[in-house]
Amino acid sequence: QSVLTQSPSASGTPGQRVTISCTGSRSNIESNSVNWYQHLPGTAPKLLIHSNHQRPSGVPDRFSGSKSGTSASLAISGLQSDDEADYYCVAWDDSQNGPVFGGGTKVTVL
Amino acid sequence: QVQLQESGPGLLKASETLSLTCTVSGGSINPYYWSWIRQPPGKGLEWIGYVYYSGTTNYNPSLESRVTMSVDLSKNQFSLKLHSVTAADTAIYYCARGSYFFDDWGQGTLVTVSS
Repeated sequence: QSVLTQSPSASGTPGQRVTISCTGSRSNIESNSVNWYQHLPGTAPKLLIHSNHQRPSGVPDRFSGSKSGTSASLAISGLQSDDEADYYCVAWDDSQNGPVFGGGTKVTVL
Repeated sequence: QVQLQESGPGLLKASETLSLTCTVSGGSINPYYWSWIRQPPGKGLEWIGYVYYSGTTNYNPSLESRVTMSVDLSKNQFSLKLHSVTAADTAIYYCARGSYFFDDWGQGTLVTVSS
């Protein structure tokens, strides 16, 4: 069981907007910043969002992150077939003194 | 952007020690944190721990009793040892740069533990 809770799946048609949520607690999301990773099976995970909403160079602005209280969200607008992947949230947890991952959300483009 | 490459045996027997090395190229081990992360089949990602270039370590509490990490500055490598493995340790093991902001990752290496 993951410390951070994510819905197992999300889906949308091309062009739609999909939102993925990540729920934690005071010791992780509320107290620390959240990062998001995109993972295609068989490849290295890719950093999509760091520090709650910052995009690394090269990440399209279709991807956006936000945080409020003990929850964070990743939004994908203008959904494309290439966006089919697993998405993970990560936050530092003060109680465990280490990073904790969400269980991952599988995004399907219909 | 640095390149990371995991190496080590892909098949172990239960009770043996898993030993993996991550070679860093295109940049220096110094002065960063370096992590190991794994993904069991059909499951999500799990942080195993990190080692700082100075040798300071921090491990996931659930694995702490069995994990040892180290760094070799002369070879630009860092390593993971996981003792007394079981089938539950079967996973793809990734090395990555960072302590929880993982900006560069290796491609991963599958380690299978047979009983």
